[in-house]
Amino acid sequence: NAGVTQTPKFRVLKTGQSMTLLCAQDMNHEYMYWYRQDPGMGLRLIHYSVGEGTTAKGEVPDGYNVSRLKKQNFLLGLESAAPSQTSVYFCASSRGANQETQYFGPGTRLLVL
Amino acid sequence: AQSVTQLDSHVSVSEGTPVLLRCNYSSSYSPSLFWYVQHPNKGLQLLLKYTSAATLVKGINGFEAEFKKSETSFHLTKPSAHMSDAAEYFCVVSVRYGGSQGNLIFGKGTKLSVKP
Repeated sequence: NAGVTQTPKFRVLKTGQSMTLLCAQDMNHEYMYWYRQDPGMGLRLIHYSVGEGTTAKGEVPDGYNVSRLKKQNFLLGLESAAPSQTSVYFCASSRGANQETQYFGPGTRLLVL
Repeated sequence: AQSVTQLDSHVSVSEGTPVLLRCNYSSSYSPSLFWYVQHPNKGLQLLLKYTSAATLVKGINGFEAEFKKSETSFHLTKPSAHMSDAAEYFCVVSVRYGGSQGNLIFGKGTKLSVKP
C-alpha cells in the first residue's frame, strides 16, 4: 500500500498563475483533508470531504477550491496564486471522523513569487 | 471554542534523559486528543491518541501521554530520549466544525532537539 501520495512534491508559481495539487489514497477512506503548514502556525484545515462528491470549507478556505470526483482522489486548486499561499500543503485521509486517525501524505512545497 | 496550546516551542534534551512536551487544551465537549510527530521534510505520523478510554495512553517508540481532565492537559513523555526522536511534535484536539464532523485543531508544534 502506498498510503497517501501527493503530486507534485515541489512547485514554483508566479503570482496570478493557477495550479492543481493532487492527493490520492489507496486505503478506501471516506474522509479526506487539505491542510497548509506555515512556520509557527501548526497545520490549518483548508477544505475537507466526507465522501465522494462532497466538499466543505475548513478554517482557511479563501483562495482555494477542491473537488472529490473519485473516492480515492482529492484535488486542491489555486485559481490565481498569491505570495500569501506560499506554504507546505498536506493531504490526509481517515476512515471516519472524530476519533479516527488521519494518515498524512509527504507534503507539497509551494513557492509563489 | 476548542483550542490547543503547546507550552514550549522548542525543547532540548540530552540523549538518555527524559522527555516532557507540554500540551493544554480547551474543549466544550469530551475531547479526542492526539500527538503527531513530523520528522524533517516528512509528513505527519500518529504517535498516540486518547479517546475517553484509559487516561494513560501508550504510543509508538516508547512515548506515552496522560489525559488529566482537571488540569486540561495532555503532556507527552518518554523516559529516555534517542537521537532519532529529534523532530517536531504536534498536540491535536478533535473538534466539531459545523455539523457532526470532527476535524482536527493543531497546536503550533514543539521542536525537540536531542544532544549526544
